[in-house]
Order: sequence, then structure tokens, then C-alpha cells
Amino acid sequence: GQQLNQSPQSMFIQEGEDVSMNCTSSSIFNTWLWYKQDPGEGPVLLIALYKAGELTSNGRLTAQFGITRKDSFLNISASIPSDVGIYFCAGRENYGQNFVFGPGTRLSVLP
Amino acid sequence: GAVVSQHPSWVICKSGTSVKIECRSLDFQATTMFWYRQFPKQSLMLMATSNEGSKATYEQGVEKDKFLINHASLTLSTLTVTSAHPEDSSFYICSARGLAGYETQYFGPGTRLLVL
Repeated sequence: GQQLNQSPQSMFIQEGEDVSMNCTSSSIFNTWLWYKQDPGEGPVLLIALYKAGELTSNGRLTAQFGITRKDSFLNISASIPSDVGIYFCAGRENYGQNFVFGPGTRLSVLP
Repeated sequence: GAVVSQHPSWVICKSGTSVKIECRSLDFQATTMFWYRQFPKQSLMLMATSNEGSKATYEQGVEKDKFLINHASLTLSTLTVTSAHPEDSSFYICSARGLAGYETQYFGPGTRLLVL
């Protein structure tokens, strides 16, 4: 079945630094989603991407739909302590299908 | 954005009792709802997928007689953990996918279950 890989699995960064993480698939996807989960909460949708090459921002967050359609990237600029959490990517091959979720990237921000 | 609620947010119960968790899509109609389980510091584990008015599809290894799912309407799905045991203690999260168009998937805030 479809599998998503997220890299890195975890990262520790200094407050103020920029963050990059990615998600790769063995299949071609037509939709990518990025979520953030705070401790003890459900994941919250950050950005949705629907076209290859699409670049979408949400505040300090920017996500891109890879042109190969097998990957997606999430960047966080000027990290702050509240960026701590788990970031999940999700994707799917076709409309109407279920989304497949990645294992998550755990982000820690050091003051 | 679309809102998904869960109730209760946390529950403590005695071993052997049954617990029902409700998941509602508040401002959209959800053709499909999903139930996940998450252990501490681990990823989301999909338990089952339910479509309104039909039986849920369970993932391999998930006992359908233990985790009863009902999706009676386009805005409500329930998960009942029957005869709960301590090993069922976990964080349960529901998610809902909307009708046609640019579909996406929204999550509820989760329900923490502790079985004593």
C-alpha cells in the first residue's frame, strides 16, 4: 500500500532559526496536507496543496507541492517556542480516496 | 475553517465498562469519518473508516466487536469501546472528510481514555 516518509523524524532547533522538513511518497499524489499537533490535542490543518509546484503560505509557514508530485515540503521561518509539536503530512492519489498520513516530524524549539 | 468536536474530552472508567465517544462535524457534512488511536509520542494509527449509513471498515488488527462504530448521520459518528480494559487506555481522535469539491480532512480535539 501507499506509504509516506517524513524527514527528519525529530529535530531540535534554536529559537529564531528556520526549519525545513519534507514528506515523500512512493506514489504520485494530487493533494498534500500539512498538520500540526500540539501535546494533548488533535492535529490542526495548516496548509492544503492541490497543484504540482504550488507554493502556499500561512504566516511563517510555507509549504510546497513538489513538481514530481511525490513529495512536499514545509518550512517554518523564525521559529518560536509555540512551534513545538508534531508535524504530520498527508496525501492522496485521487479525489475521493482516503488520505495517507506520514509518521510525523517532532519539533523541539530551544529558547 | 471546518470544525470537528469530540465529547467527552477525557474519561476515566473502571475495567469492564463500556465508553462511548461522540464525534461531530459542526459546520459541514461529513461523508466519511475516521477514528484514530495514538499512544504517547507515537504517530496516528487509523482504526476504522466509516461512511454515513453503512458499516465501518476496520483496519487490520482492530477488533470490530470491541470498538463499535456508528455513523448514523452526516454530522455524527460514535465510537464505543466495549468492556474496556487498561490496555485500551489511549488518546482517541476522530476526523471528518467533507463532501465534494476541494476535499480535506479535519480532526477533532481528541478524547483521552483511562481505564482503571
